[in-house]
Amino acid sequence: AQSVTQLDSQVPVFEEAPVELRCNYSSSVSVYLFWYVQYPNQGLQLLLKYLSGSTLVESINGFEAEFNKSQTSFHLRKPSVHISDTAEYFCAVSPLSGSARQLTFGSGTQLTVLP
Amino acid sequence: DAGVTQSPTHLIKTRGQHVTLRCSPISGHKSVSWYQQVLGQGPQFIFQYYEKEERGRGNFPDRFSARQFPNYSSELNVNALLLGDSALYLCASSLWETYEQYFGPGTRLTVT
Repeated sequence: AQSVTQLDSQVPVFEEAPVELRCNYSSSVSVYLFWYVQYPNQGLQLLLKYLSGSTLVESINGFEAEFNKSQTSFHLRKPSVHISDTAEYFCAVSPLSGSARQLTFGSGTQLTVLP
Repeated sequence: DAGVTQSPTHLIKTRGQHVTLRCSPISGHKSVSWYQQVLGQGPQFIFQYYEKEERGRGNFPDRFSARQFPNYSSELNVNALLLGDSALYLCASSLWETYEQYFGPGTRLTVT
């Protein structure tokens, strides 16, 4: 079984400041890792993913996340946030083994960017 | 290409009733998964289908059932609705080989 912990339920930050959203996971098997973003009254959008290779992955809108196997973490960072980044962010894992490839999500972090 | 589509967008039902939610995957995707998202929480896995076979089931009661059709669309059925079933129901589709799941806009179910 897998579990995901997002340590901060709410993160307020001023526009153009850096931000880090923390994610730790627990799993008895190897996993793939994902970050999803959810805007109000919408479904989830895939932001970035770690499947293999370089432990630092980047999205097209300036977010990056680093997979740390020893610390079982996959923190999301952005060096300079914009008002439009205000949303709920979910970290998720999917097991590499087993018959199902379900996503296990954390409880989410509400990022609010202040002017 | 069209993304994942779900119908209806919103639904209001009474306790004890039955509901059917529908999902059409992205063209070429043969796997569909269903998730329940209660307000203020992360999505919880309900079912996953691949090539019309159930591949996984989350910790939900037998009142919840699903199926996948030959065209890879899917239905989620919930019987004997409870107030606690009020939630956003999300459908996701994927290419089985890549593990990435793409979500639809969801169906907001309210049980009164």
